[in-house]
Amino acid sequence: AQKITQTQPGMFVQEKEAVTLDCTYDTSDPSYGLFWYKQPSSGEMIFLIYQGSYDQQNATEGRYSLNFQKARKSTNLVISASQLGDSAMYFCAMREGRGAQKLVFGQGTRLTINP
Amino acid sequence: DTEVTQTPKHLVMGMTNKKSLKCEQHMGHRAMYWYKQKAKKPPELMFVYSYEKLSINESVPSRFSPECPNSSLLNLHLHALQPEDSALYLCASSQAGAGNQPQHFGDGTRLSIL
Repeated sequence: AQKITQTQPGMFVQEKEAVTLDCTYDTSDPSYGLFWYKQPSSGEMIFLIYQGSYDQQNATEGRYSLNFQKARKSTNLVISASQLGDSAMYFCAMREGRGAQKLVFGQGTRLTINP
Repeated sequence: DTEVTQTPKHLVMGMTNKKSLKCEQHMGHRAMYWYKQKAKKPPELMFVYSYEKLSINESVPSRFSPECPNSSLLNLHLHALQPEDSALYLCASSQAGAGNQPQHFGDGTRLSIL
């Protein structure tokens, strides 16, 4: 079974609009971490934001925020006021277990911001 | 600029060649990783080093041989690769044993096997 599911292969959004990228996960471990990365066409993976399984509040980092719904096992990324430079591939990833090192990625969502 | 430096950025090699990919970080991280990423796919973990010791090998073929000579350097030695090994190879580092800390990635090496 897929550990991380991103159901949107591609999304197109007008500049300055907000966009939500979906991510659901599957784990039976009570301790886990969820990460979002951005990968432009140049290839580097850029860390955006983190949510821990025990965090009480949704994570925020500048224009990025997470809608973490633990019971639904989802952690959607919200990008406010989108910019042309936000066009990239976005990956959701999970690390299971306290101190675990293995990161499992979803299939990714390609986001295109239109001017 | 990323804080994890990978060289070379591009590499073309024949199936009988021997080459090495290099990765360096100076963030004091004690965990380092190699990932393989095929086009339009997510990265897949290959190896993890923790405190310079190999801690995870995801059943990678022996034609890929990792090495961690010190806490700042990670190498991936390549020998007798196959065309299907053509991919983007990403190196990452993180604090060891800190599950809430992100992995920091390099820009990757784009490898083409002729």
